Amino acid sequence: GENVEQHPSTLSVQEGDSAVIKCTYSDSASNYFPWYKQELGKGPQLIIDIRSNVGEKKDQRIAVTLNKTAKHFSLHITETQPEDSAVYFCAATYSGAGSYQLTFGKGTKLSVIP
Amino acid sequence: DVKVTQSSRYLVKRTGEKVFLECVQDMDHENMFWYRQDPGLGLRLIYFSYDVKMKEKGDIPEGYSVSREKKERFSLILESASTNQTSMYLCASNVGGLAGERGYFGPGTRLTVT
Repeated sequence: GENVEQHPSTLSVQEGDSAVIKCTYSDSASNYFPWYKQELGKGPQLIIDIRSNVGEKKDQRIAVTLNKTAKHFSLHITETQPEDSAVYFCAATYSGAGSYQLTFGKGTKLSVIP
Repeated sequence: DVKVTQSSRYLVKRTGEKVFLECVQDMDHENMFWYRQDPGLGLRLIYFSYDVKMKEKGDIPEGYSVSREKKERFSLILESASTNQTSMYLCASNVGGLAGERGYFGPGTRLTVT
Protein backbone atom coordinates (compact mmCIF):
# COMPACT_ATOMS: atom_id res chain seq x y z
CA GLY A 1 0.00 0.00 0.00
CA GLU A 2 0.86 3.67 -0.12
CA ASN A 3 3.18 5.21 2.45
CA VAL A 4 3.51 8.98 2.90
CA GLU A 5 6.36 10.57 4.82
CA GLN A 6 6.09 14.21 5.90
CA HIS A 7 8.79 16.58 7.15
CA PRO A 8 9.36 18.47 9.32
CA SER A 9 7.07 17.51 12.18
CA THR A 10 7.29 21.03 13.63
CA LEU A 11 8.19 24.30 11.97
CA SER A 12 8.50 27.80 13.43
CA VAL A 13 8.82 30.84 11.22
CA GLN A 14 8.72 34.59 11.71
CA GLU A 15 5.69 36.40 10.41
CA GLY A 16 6.30 37.38 6.80
CA ASP A 17 8.78 34.59 6.11
CA SER A 18 8.07 31.57 3.91
CA ALA A 19 7.32 28.06 5.10
CA VAL A 20 7.95 24.84 3.20
CA ILE A 21 6.62 21.40 4.11
CA LYS A 22 7.77 18.34 2.19
CA CYS A 23 6.21 14.93 1.58
CA THR A 24 7.33 11.79 -0.19
CA TYR A 25 5.12 8.95 -1.34
CA SER A 26 5.91 5.36 -2.21
CA ASP A 27 3.27 4.24 -4.73
CA SER A 28 4.06 5.46 -8.23
CA ALA A 29 0.39 4.90 -9.15
CA SER A 30 -0.74 7.72 -6.83
CA ASN A 31 -1.95 10.67 -8.86
CA TYR A 32 -3.86 12.97 -6.52
CA PHE A 33 -2.17 14.93 -3.73
CA PRO A 34 -4.18 17.17 -1.40
CA TRP A 35 -3.03 19.32 1.48
CA TYR A 36 -5.16 19.89 4.56
CA LYS A 37 -4.97 22.51 7.31
CA GLN A 38 -6.25 21.66 10.76
CA GLU A 39 -6.79 24.44 13.25
CA LEU A 40 -7.11 23.72 16.93
CA GLY A 41 -10.39 22.03 17.77
CA LYS A 42 -11.49 21.69 14.14
CA GLY A 43 -11.50 19.05 11.46
CA PRO A 44 -8.98 19.19 8.59
CA GLN A 45 -9.86 21.59 5.80
CA LEU A 46 -8.69 21.15 2.21
CA ILE A 47 -6.52 24.11 1.22
CA ILE A 48 -5.02 23.03 -2.09
CA ASP A 49 -4.66 19.90 -4.19
CA ILE A 50 -2.75 18.81 -7.27
CA ARG A 51 -3.09 16.03 -9.81
CA SER A 52 -0.12 14.27 -11.33
CA ASN A 53 -0.55 15.85 -14.75
CA VAL A 54 0.43 19.21 -13.23
CA GLY A 55 3.81 20.19 -11.80
CA GLU A 56 2.78 23.24 -9.80
CA LYS A 57 -0.37 24.94 -8.61
CA LYS A 58 -0.81 28.28 -6.83
CA ASP A 59 -3.61 29.88 -4.89
CA GLN A 60 -2.71 33.30 -3.54
CA ARG A 61 -0.04 32.75 -0.86
CA ILE A 62 0.04 28.97 -1.06
CA ALA A 63 1.51 26.76 -3.73
CA VAL A 64 2.14 23.07 -4.20
CA THR A 65 4.85 21.51 -6.35
CA LEU A 66 5.02 17.91 -7.50
CA ASN A 67 8.00 15.91 -8.72
CA LYS A 68 6.65 12.61 -10.02
CA THR A 69 10.06 11.19 -10.83
CA ALA A 70 11.32 11.68 -7.29
CA LYS A 71 7.88 10.96 -5.81
CA HIS A 72 7.77 14.02 -3.66
CA PHE A 73 5.55 17.06 -3.32
CA SER A 74 5.80 20.21 -1.26
CA LEU A 75 3.60 22.94 0.20
CA HIS A 76 4.91 26.48 0.07
CA ILE A 77 3.36 29.29 2.10
CA THR A 78 4.68 32.78 1.42
CA GLU A 79 4.31 35.91 3.55
CA THR A 80 3.17 33.86 6.52
CA GLN A 81 0.66 35.32 8.95
CA PRO A 82 -0.27 34.28 12.50
CA GLU A 83 -3.51 32.76 11.21
CA ASP A 84 -1.43 30.30 9.19
CA SER A 85 -0.48 28.63 12.48
CA ALA A 86 -2.02 25.14 12.37
CA VAL A 87 -1.23 21.51 11.69
CA TYR A 88 -0.81 20.72 7.99
CA PHE A 89 -1.28 17.25 6.50
CA CYS A 90 -0.29 16.01 3.09
CA ALA A 91 -1.98 12.99 1.52
CA ALA A 92 -1.84 10.82 -1.57
CA THR A 93 -4.19 8.50 -3.41
CA TYR A 94 -4.77 6.82 -6.72
CA SER A 95 -7.83 8.48 -8.18
CA GLY A 96 -8.66 5.77 -10.68
CA ALA A 97 -10.25 3.46 -8.13
CA GLY A 98 -13.28 5.63 -7.44
CA SER A 99 -13.21 5.44 -3.68
CA TYR A 100 -10.15 7.67 -3.17
CA GLN A 101 -8.81 6.35 0.08
CA LEU A 102 -6.34 8.94 1.22
CA THR A 103 -3.07 7.99 2.90
CA PHE A 104 -1.92 10.84 5.12
CA GLY A 105 1.42 12.02 6.36
CA LYS A 106 1.82 12.42 10.10
CA GLY A 107 1.43 16.19 10.01
CA THR A 108 3.49 19.35 10.48
CA LYS A 109 2.74 21.79 13.25
CA LEU A 110 3.44 25.25 11.87
CA SER A 111 3.88 28.15 14.27
CA VAL A 112 4.07 31.67 12.88
CA ILE A 113 5.69 34.01 15.38
CA PRO A 114 4.40 37.60 15.25
CA ASP B 1 -20.73 24.67 0.94
CA VAL B 2 -20.27 21.02 1.77
CA LYS B 3 -21.24 20.28 5.29
CA VAL B 4 -20.18 17.20 7.22
CA THR B 5 -21.55 17.03 10.73
CA GLN B 6 -20.77 14.66 13.57
CA SER B 7 -23.22 13.93 16.35
CA SER B 8 -20.97 14.80 19.28
CA ARG B 9 -17.88 16.95 19.75
CA TYR B 10 -16.93 15.28 23.03
CA LEU B 11 -17.89 11.90 24.39
CA VAL B 12 -16.91 10.05 27.57
CA LYS B 13 -17.70 6.35 27.82
CA ARG B 14 -16.81 3.50 30.12
CA THR B 15 -14.82 0.41 29.17
CA GLY B 16 -17.09 -2.25 27.69
CA GLU B 17 -19.84 0.14 26.58
CA LYS B 18 -21.20 0.09 23.05
CA VAL B 19 -20.52 3.42 21.38
CA PHE B 20 -22.14 4.95 18.32
CA LEU B 21 -20.57 7.83 16.42
CA GLU B 22 -22.79 9.39 13.78
CA CYS B 23 -21.82 11.34 10.68
CA VAL B 24 -24.07 13.12 8.22
CA GLN B 25 -23.18 14.86 4.96
CA ASP B 26 -25.53 17.08 3.03
CA MET B 27 -23.99 17.02 -0.47
CA ASP B 28 -25.13 13.67 -1.84
CA HIS B 29 -21.58 12.31 -1.73
CA GLU B 30 -21.04 8.69 -2.72
CA ASN B 31 -18.08 7.95 -0.45
CA MET B 32 -17.81 8.32 3.29
CA PHE B 33 -14.86 7.59 5.57
CA TRP B 34 -14.03 7.21 9.24
CA TYR B 35 -10.52 8.16 10.39
CA ARG B 36 -8.86 8.07 13.73
CA GLN B 37 -6.36 10.80 14.67
CA ASP B 38 -3.70 10.27 17.31
CA PRO B 39 -0.68 12.46 18.16
CA GLY B 40 2.37 11.44 16.17
CA LEU B 41 0.39 8.95 14.08
CA GLY B 42 -1.56 11.29 11.84
CA LEU B 43 -4.89 10.18 10.38
CA ARG B 44 -5.52 6.48 9.94
CA LEU B 45 -8.43 5.04 7.97
CA ILE B 46 -10.74 2.75 9.94
CA TYR B 47 -13.52 2.01 7.42
CA PHE B 48 -15.01 3.55 4.34
CA SER B 49 -18.20 3.13 2.33
CA TYR B 50 -18.68 3.76 -1.39
CA ASP B 51 -22.41 3.14 -1.46
CA VAL B 52 -25.38 2.49 0.77
CA LYS B 53 -24.95 -0.78 2.68
CA MET B 54 -21.44 -1.18 1.29
CA LYS B 55 -18.34 -1.03 3.46
CA GLU B 56 -14.65 -1.70 3.16
CA LYS B 57 -12.01 -2.12 5.83
CA GLY B 58 -9.32 0.48 6.09
CA ASP B 59 -5.96 0.18 7.78
CA ILE B 60 -7.14 -0.29 11.38
CA PRO B 61 -10.63 -1.86 11.44
CA GLU B 62 -10.12 -4.08 14.48
CA GLY B 63 -12.57 -3.29 17.27
CA TYR B 64 -14.83 -1.23 15.02
CA SER B 65 -17.79 -1.77 12.74
CA VAL B 66 -19.79 0.58 10.54
CA SER B 67 -23.27 1.02 9.16
CA ARG B 68 -24.55 2.93 6.16
CA GLU B 69 -28.28 2.54 5.77
CA LYS B 70 -28.81 5.90 4.06
CA LYS B 71 -26.56 7.69 1.63
CA GLU B 72 -26.08 10.74 3.82
CA ARG B 73 -25.35 8.91 7.08
CA PHE B 74 -22.36 6.79 8.10
CA SER B 75 -22.08 5.38 11.61
CA LEU B 76 -19.02 4.09 13.42
CA ILE B 77 -19.67 1.52 16.13
CA LEU B 78 -17.38 0.46 18.93
CA GLU B 79 -18.89 -2.84 20.04
CA SER B 80 -17.09 -2.89 23.38
CA ALA B 81 -15.10 0.26 24.02
CA SER B 82 -11.59 -0.06 25.35
CA THR B 83 -9.18 2.53 26.72
CA ASN B 84 -6.94 2.23 23.65
CA GLN B 85 -9.83 3.55 21.57
CA THR B 86 -9.56 6.92 23.28
CA SER B 87 -8.91 9.19 20.32
CA MET B 88 -10.19 11.87 17.96
CA TYR B 89 -12.53 10.41 15.36
CA LEU B 90 -13.00 12.22 12.06
CA CYS B 91 -15.61 11.57 9.42
CA ALA B 92 -15.08 12.61 5.80
CA SER B 93 -16.89 12.35 2.49
CA ASN B 94 -16.24 12.90 -1.22
CA VAL B 95 -18.20 12.83 -4.39
CA GLY B 96 -16.47 9.82 -5.89
CA GLY B 97 -16.41 9.05 -9.58
CA LEU B 98 -14.27 10.89 -12.11
CA ALA B 99 -12.35 13.78 -10.52
CA GLY B 100 -14.36 13.46 -7.34
CA GLU B 101 -11.45 13.03 -5.01
CA ARG B 102 -11.81 16.14 -2.89
CA GLY B 103 -12.50 15.12 0.68
CA TYR B 104 -14.40 17.13 3.25
CA PHE B 105 -14.09 16.51 6.95
CA GLY B 106 -16.41 16.95 9.87
CA PRO B 107 -15.30 18.74 13.07
CA GLY B 108 -14.37 15.51 14.84
CA THR B 109 -15.51 13.67 17.96
CA ARG B 110 -13.07 13.43 20.83
CA LEU B 111 -13.83 10.14 22.56
CA THR B 112 -12.49 9.30 25.98
CA VAL B 113 -12.90 5.75 27.28
CA THR B 114 -12.34 5.36 31.01
